Amino acid sequence: GAGVSQSPRYKVAKRGQDVALRCDPISGHVSLFWYQQALGQGPEFLTYFQNEAQLDKSGLPSDRFFAERPEGSVSTLKIQRTQQEDSAVYLCASSSGGGSPLHFGNGTRLTVT
Amino acid sequence: KQEVTQIPAALSVPEGENLVLNCSFTDSAIYNLQWFRQDPGKGLTSLLLIQSSQREQTSGRLNASLDKSSGRSTLYIAASQPGDSATYLCAVRFTGGGNKLTFGTGTQLKVEL
Repeated sequence: GAGVSQSPRYKVAKRGQDVALRCDPISGHVSLFWYQQALGQGPEFLTYFQNEAQLDKSGLPSDRFFAERPEGSVSTLKIQRTQQEDSAVYLCASSSGGGSPLHFGNGTRLTVT
Repeated sequence: KQEVTQIPAALSVPEGENLVLNCSFTDSAIYNLQWFRQDPGKGLTSLLLIQSSQREQTSGRLNASLDKSSGRSTLYIAASQPGDSATYLCAVRFTGGGNKLTFGTGTQLKVEL
């Protein structure tokens, strides 16, 4: 595709609900990242995939957060039993690997009420 | 702890002025450094990527420098325009930190007519 696509663009969830956020990376990009960005802050790393392998999940804040990329392309970030502190913009980025630049999607703004 | 700091947090300048944004990082063992631009409600757009072996990169009116030994990078914007108004983020890929980028909190730039 022309760029990284994320859906939905906005998501409002009641506390305790489960949510699933989708990322379509640039076609052929082997590396995929998820970041969390709180208001007024820089993005914080959550997890990294190389193809279908999740090589780093050190940034996931709790076991309520789960990410997958089963076929090495589309990725889903799932948050179970959402809490108010999960409210943030969730950004997905992809790259062709090595030291190449990251390309970001427009993010999903999650609001937990 | 590997951290990235950006100063100032906000900057307002008149149109046409040349300006410098600063980024500092705590560990000189880096793989690369990337500057991004973020418009309100949008994802991040990559501006310049400097590999650890490089001293600077240029793209149009933008010039980014890297001094690993002092843990600093600067983004120079020449002849600023109102369309340059955005938040500028510096991100570092630290050696030994895997593939993740560590972001600063950004500098919010406003270029006034």
